Amino acid sequence: DAGVIQSPRHEVTEMGQEVTLRCKPISGHNSLFWYRQTMMRGLELLIYFNNNVPIDDSGMPEDRFSAKMPNASFSTLKIQPSEPRDSAVYFCASSFWQVGAEQYFGPGTRLTVT
Amino acid sequence: DQQVKQNSPSLSVQEGRISILNCDYTNSMFDYFLWYKKYPAEGPTFLISISSIKDKNEDGRFTVFLNKSAKHLSLHIVPSQPGDSAVYFCAASAQNYGGSQGNLIFGKGTKLSVKP
Repeated sequence: DAGVIQSPRHEVTEMGQEVTLRCKPISGHNSLFWYRQTMMRGLELLIYFNNNVPIDDSGMPEDRFSAKMPNASFSTLKIQPSEPRDSAVYFCASSFWQVGAEQYFGPGTRLTVT
Repeated sequence: DQQVKQNSPSLSVQEGRISILNCDYTNSMFDYFLWYKKYPAEGPTFLISISSIKDKNEDGRFTVFLNKSAKHLSLHIVPSQPGDSAVYFCAASAQNYGGSQGNLIFGKGTKLSVKP
């Protein structure tokens, strides 16, 4: 299996622009997670989906952030408009939702907003 | 308030010796614990886990110990190798308490350096 695929790997954009991060989970997994990693806050969960349905989005920092999962093999995280404080590494992870299931992470997208 | 704490941001160990990474948690509903390893420019990778019904789980050079009364777990790496140099994250989940099943709460990580 190719593992969790994220694109792009690096994104540099100017403040105010829209940013879309993409994720393809591992085939057969039914849970998908979006995380953000910063030096100050470490690895924090933004939102997660079970069977394509958003379950908990309490970690989404503001209305500028939105996430969708239109089908079992694709998810997007959108920031509109972007701000310099959104600069971070964004990880997508997937798992098969059951007791004891570990999450498998993608390589991350490094976002820089200037 | 952090529910999962890794109080040591870094640890340096000589090759061949034991590495001990510590993690504390505050939520008594956590019943499943995991350790992840992260190399630069890569995503975290699963290393080892332990359920709250156990107090020890071993996988090769890696052993995780759980002390529920102290709300403390530790990861032991014996013997440590230079390739073990990475950031290690502790994570916890409340698997059996509904709602957030599958959701993991991560610590901030400990950077391990194993010197040859």
